[in-house]
Amino acid sequence: GAGVSQSPRYKVTKRGQDVALRCDPISGHVSLYWYRQALGQGPEFLTYFNYEAQQDKSGLPNDRFSAERPEGSISTLTIQRTEQRDSAMYRCASSLGRTGVNEQFFGPGTRLTVL
Amino acid sequence: AQTVTQSQPEMSVQEAETVTLSCTYDTSENNYYLFWYKQPPSRQMILVIRQEAYKQQNATENRFSVNFQKAAKSFSLKISDSQLGDTAMYFCAFMTHRGNNAGNMLTFGGGTRLMVKP
Repeated sequence: GAGVSQSPRYKVTKRGQDVALRCDPISGHVSLYWYRQALGQGPEFLTYFNYEAQQDKSGLPNDRFSAERPEGSISTLTIQRTEQRDSAMYRCASSLGRTGVNEQFFGPGTRLTVL
Repeated sequence: AQTVTQSQPEMSVQEAETVTLSCTYDTSENNYYLFWYKQPPSRQMILVIRQEAYKQQNATENRFSVNFQKAAKSFSLKISDSQLGDTAMYFCAFMTHRGNNAGNMLTFGGGTRLMVKP
């Protein structure tokens, strides 16, 4: 009965390094969303998966950001050549993905700090 | 594109009293959903209440209720009998239902920080 989990919970990296953030959704949840939340602001949409298919990546800020969900379960968000402006809380959320509007359950987030 | 505005960055209320948090949004859609999320100091995101735009009746969940004014594009949250545990950041969010192929992403406001004082 675990909820959405994310790892690592905290990541400190130096500018220019690559980072990979992991999201483990609730078992059986088809839909998976990635959001980014800057300090003092609301979350902003990054990308969406339906099973393993990345159906919407319109929120990814630039081509340094990519995401995958190869088996339709765990997802990884990768940021290449990190910059200080990438510092934020990265959250994923999953939902059942059945007909109608299903609640999105959020993970605890990964707080990324780029020095 | 949809936008969500929360005009009150911070609010405070005495324990046991009532407080109302404001939210306005802009959209050309007719079928959509509105949500209030709570983010306590632990920084979890917890769904408080949701409202379907096609429903005229305002949603209620225990001490939490909304005042949904579709024509005015307003969606305020009322917290009755405020408790210390209500201290948190509150986010208003908007969703257009696009189906599971396209995704139902949330658009959030900037948040209102609520402090409940003993």
